[in-house]
Amino acid sequence: KAGVTQTPRYLIKTRGQQVTLSCSPISGHRSVSWYQQTPGQGLQFLFEYFSETQRNKGNFPGRFSGRQFSNSRSEMNVSTLELGDSALYLCASSLTSGRAASTDTQYFGPGTRLTVL
Amino acid sequence: AQTVTQSQPEMSVQEAETVTLSCTYDTSESDYYLFWYKQPPSRQMILVIRQEAYKQQNATENRFSVNFQKAAKSFSLKISDSQLGDAAMYFCAYRSFNTGNQFYFGTGTSLTVIP
Repeated sequence: KAGVTQTPRYLIKTRGQQVTLSCSPISGHRSVSWYQQTPGQGLQFLFEYFSETQRNKGNFPGRFSGRQFSNSRSEMNVSTLELGDSALYLCASSLTSGRAASTDTQYFGPGTRLTVL
Repeated sequence: AQTVTQSQPEMSVQEAETVTLSCTYDTSESDYYLFWYKQPPSRQMILVIRQEAYKQQNATENRFSVNFQKAAKSFSLKISDSQLGDAAMYFCAYRSFNTGNQFYFGTGTSLTVIP
């Protein structure tokens, strides 16, 4: 079974631009979560989508948004990019969400490295 | 909010020796899950081991085991017979029983294995 895939793997943008990152979960998984990883802040939770609905949201500004499609693929969008948005963006998938996810394992993708100049 | 603390930014161990990575967390919940993830230089996060808070027995996975002290809110990872492939960044993570798949991660411990 294929793992979690993320595209693109590397991205260079300039301040003020917007960017869209994509995540394809493991087949059959319906939950996709997004994390931002930076040397200073570590791994921080952005949001989780399950069955096309946002289930949880971390403490990030509204410039960060996401969505999930009926095939469980998810996209994350960052508008009006800032230098501080440079980071590794990881997505993770699991079968379910909420209490039903108690026995699930969360599988991570390889990440998208975003550099903002 | 839950917080996870890893007080050892870097650790090293001789090949074939044992090393213990520390993790403490803060929560007011009684039901939760704890994890150790490994992130090798290739950057793919891999689950090492998980522990359910309601289980008193410490989890083990081959050479990896945990020491879970619920009252002390401590969750350390022991790696026995360390191998070169164990070199990676190790993250301790907390997941609430109720709030889906939102993980809280520690800042990580970089483990070096010395041949």
